[in-house]
Amino acid sequence: AQSVTQPDIHITVSEGASLELRCNYSYGATPYLFWYVQSPGQGLQLLLKYFSGDTLVQGIKGFEAEFKRSQSSFNLRKPSVHWSDAAEYFCAVANTNAGKSTFGDGTTLTVKP
Amino acid sequence: DGGITQSPKYLFRKEGQNVTLSCEQNLNHDAMYWYRQDPGQGLRLIYYSQIVNDFQKGDIAEGYSVSREKKESFPLTVTSAQKNPTAFYLCASETEPYGYTFGSGTRLTVV
Repeated sequence: AQSVTQPDIHITVSEGASLELRCNYSYGATPYLFWYVQSPGQGLQLLLKYFSGDTLVQGIKGFEAEFKRSQSSFNLRKPSVHWSDAAEYFCAVANTNAGKSTFGDGTTLTVKP
Repeated sequence: DGGITQSPKYLFRKEGQNVTLSCEQNLNHDAMYWYRQDPGQGLRLIYYSQIVNDFQKGDIAEGYSVSREKKESFPLTVTSAQKNPTAFYLCASETEPYGYTFGSGTRLTVV
């Protein structure tokens, strides 16, 4: 069965600093990978996705992620964090046979002024 | 604007009561999903439906029921058999292959 691990429960960065959120996945075939963001009390919003091709994918709000098959990772990055980026971030992997996705437990990002 | 509407935003349930959470979409999406979110546990799949009049159990279906009589609607009933129903419930539809659009959620509390 597929699984997703987000090793960091909580990360704090200063505004303007760079950000990297880690995601490791387990899946038998070529994975379909996603990052979502959730503001408090709201639903999730899709940031970016990887299906195939270029391993560096660009998303909305200035985020990017890099797929590394050798490390089973799909880490999310942003060069300069803004206070509005404070939220919870979820990584997900799709089970293409079953037509559903598995989500990680999330990483909460706090941004210091 | 197209999207997913979940109602109510807050819901209170007494012990032994069934309650139904509404999820409506005007995106013309075939597949819809219900997730439960608890602090520190991420999202867990309750039920999903890929076409009208068909649905499948997810990882934590016990104590829940759904119906899919119309493409636009996928209501979730939390039954009295669900022993710990207090949680945040999220409905989603499949926007693109395996990528989802989410509603803004319903917070259910047992009183």
